[in-house]
Amino acid sequence: DVKVTQSSRYLVKRTGEKVFLECVQDMDHENMFWYRQDPGLGLRLIYFSYDVKMKEKGDIPEGYSVSREKKERFSLILESASTNQTSMYLCASSFPGTSGLWQFFGPGTRLTVL
Amino acid sequence: AQSVTQLGSHVSVSEGALVLLRCNYSSSVPPYLFWYVQYPNQGLQLLLKYTSAATLVKGINGFEAEFKKSETSFHLTKPSAHMSDAAEYFCAVSHGYSSASKIIFGSGTRLSIRP
Repeated sequence: DVKVTQSSRYLVKRTGEKVFLECVQDMDHENMFWYRQDPGLGLRLIYFSYDVKMKEKGDIPEGYSVSREKKERFSLILESASTNQTSMYLCASSFPGTSGLWQFFGPGTRLTVL
Repeated sequence: AQSVTQLGSHVSVSEGALVLLRCNYSSSVPPYLFWYVQYPNQGLQLLLKYTSAATLVKGINGFEAEFKKSETSFHLTKPSAHMSDAAEYFCAVSHGYSSASKIIFGSGTRLSIRP
């Protein structure tokens, strides 16, 4: 089975802190994604990556950056956390060429920014 | 542009009753359609998908959905609700397999089951 893991289930940070959210997949997927999930808004795509060191902006990239130094690992970075970034963050991965069909999700990280 | 509308942010049914979760989509090209389920404190799991084959799609846990092009709908049903079905359900749309395809998610419907 595909496994997508996220470094933390729950995280509490203070405004202005730099925050790293880590995601690791074990199926050699080329595609990886970061979403944020907010009540009533569904999932919104923040950034995605089709290959190592490649990244593309999603629908709501402002305030976020990403890093993909290794194929299995995709990190989401909040350079200076703000309270409006309190949310559930979901990582996903998919097989090459199938990002529009099969995405496998991690369990999520619930981030609270105080 | 593609979009998905889920009618009803919260649906409550009795155990054993029919489950009907509504989804309408908008797409300028033939769509691929999905239902995902999210159990409490978990990530999303694919429940079923429509990829232009049979219009009636069967998924896991007794769920099914029917693609109706004329109504631009992809409603999710289950004949008899079980307590374990309590979760949030997301309808989603994309336009294909390629790496350029993105999945667009609806806002979600929370399903509650009454004993």
